[in-house]
Amino acid sequence: EVQLVESGGGLVQPGGSLRLSCAASGFTFSSYAMHWVRQAPGKGLEYVSVISSNGDSTYYANSVKGRFTISRDKSKNTLYLQMGSLRAEDMAVYYCARGLWWEPLDYWGQGTLVTVSS
Amino acid sequence: DIQLTQSPSFLSASVGDRITITCRASQGISSYLAWYQQKPGKAPKLLIYSVSTLQSGVPSRFSGSGSGTEFTLTISSLQPEDFATYYCQQLNSYPLTFGGGTKVEIK
Repeated sequence: EVQLVESGGGLVQPGGSLRLSCAASGFTFSSYAMHWVRQAPGKGLEYVSVISSNGDSTYYANSVKGRFTISRDKSKNTLYLQMGSLRAEDMAVYYCARGLWWEPLDYWGQGTLVTVSS
Repeated sequence: DIQLTQSPSFLSASVGDRITITCRASQGISSYLAWYQQKPGKAPKLLIYSVSTLQSGVPSRFSGSGSGTEFTLTISSLQPEDFATYYCQQLNSYPLTFGGGTKVEIK
């Protein structure tokens, strides 16, 4: 069974940093691109970032470029999102999701909430 | 970035109704369109990809159609478990943008 479990969310002050993790199981992690999608409270889905199956290629939404870094550890079957210079508008539930580079996101984690507030 | 505009943003319907949700792209995206269903407090679930291909396990009352810039999601006979928010997503170019969502509520 495919499982994606996010962790690392919490309360952080504006300007602060946080690292999200997504532990993957039930599939060959190294065969899939992995994505982060976020959802602000009461709002729609916003695409954040993707990393290719081998980690060589990444993409970031303009809203997070230069502040967030996506990475993966194949030995731990884990996806990461390092978030820095956090702003109030980054407050959201962050989902990790599985998908090939040009394919839909077929499995999603349950999400982890990031709250940015002083 | 490709913009996706969903309409309506809110829809009130009864069990058994046939409903249609539209997703319009700001430029042509060929057949690179997917639909997701999200229930409150839950992660989105993939329903349809490549415009009209049902994800495994999705009931046949769901269907998708369209091409180019205009796409539709149809539920032929609304069931109680279908009351949720629906999002389209384009997979033609990065960022893989989502539509604003359509919330389907019980009339």
